[in-house]
Amino acid sequence: ETGVTQTPRHLVMGMTNKKSLKCEQHLGHNAMYWYKQSAKKPLELMFVYNFKEQTENNSVPSRFSPECPNSSHLFLHLHTLQPEDSALYLCASSQDEADHQPQHFGDGTRLSIL
Amino acid sequence: AQSVAQPEDQVNVAEGNPLTVKCTYSVSGNPYLFWYVQYPNRGLQFLLKYITGDNLVKGSYGFEAEFNKSQTSFHLKKPSALVSDSALYFCAVRGLNTGGFKTIFGAGTRLFVKA
Repeated sequence: ETGVTQTPRHLVMGMTNKKSLKCEQHLGHNAMYWYKQSAKKPLELMFVYNFKEQTENNSVPSRFSPECPNSSHLFLHLHTLQPEDSALYLCASSQDEADHQPQHFGDGTRLSIL
Repeated sequence: AQSVAQPEDQVNVAEGNPLTVKCTYSVSGNPYLFWYVQYPNRGLQFLLKYITGDNLVKGSYGFEAEFNKSQTSFHLKKPSALVSDSALYFCAVRGLNTGGFKTIFGAGTRLFVKA
């Protein structure tokens, strides 16, 4: 149990579908992150939220839309995805984006685009 | 710009033998260094970190890492490998960039421990 829960664990969707990934942390952290993990590529940071405010968007296509309603919850809304978006999407949290403490990761959502 | 390199895609070691997973980095100023492990179908788990102080850092599951400033390295080590150590290992470096501190991850090294 890492304290960071991601749902669903697996998702298969067509290119025209709309779906959302959910992340919830019970660690009292204030920073939350979305990462994309593809085979044989480095972990790609997508978005960062600190105290509910988006502080980083690493040139992510607009078909990915994050939402952070409070410090405990983070969503990734998906719309009109492409086959190359198939990957493991990891959520992480840390006490504060500005400190130097490790990040705590969820177990990810394995996304497959048909 | 900061960077982190894990020069080996894969490391193979026999159970009971010592293991080393290599990591080198480039960062402006003092680095903050981390190792994470990822088991199949799981997220990354924190193993250990170097912030300041003693160059030899001890972490979870008997792992340790040595910070070497002159060689800009932070290699992960374990004196005696277990089959259960087989996993994907990530080195991460946190450094000061324009806009504040950023953490970047290496590409990962897959460790196979053979019985």
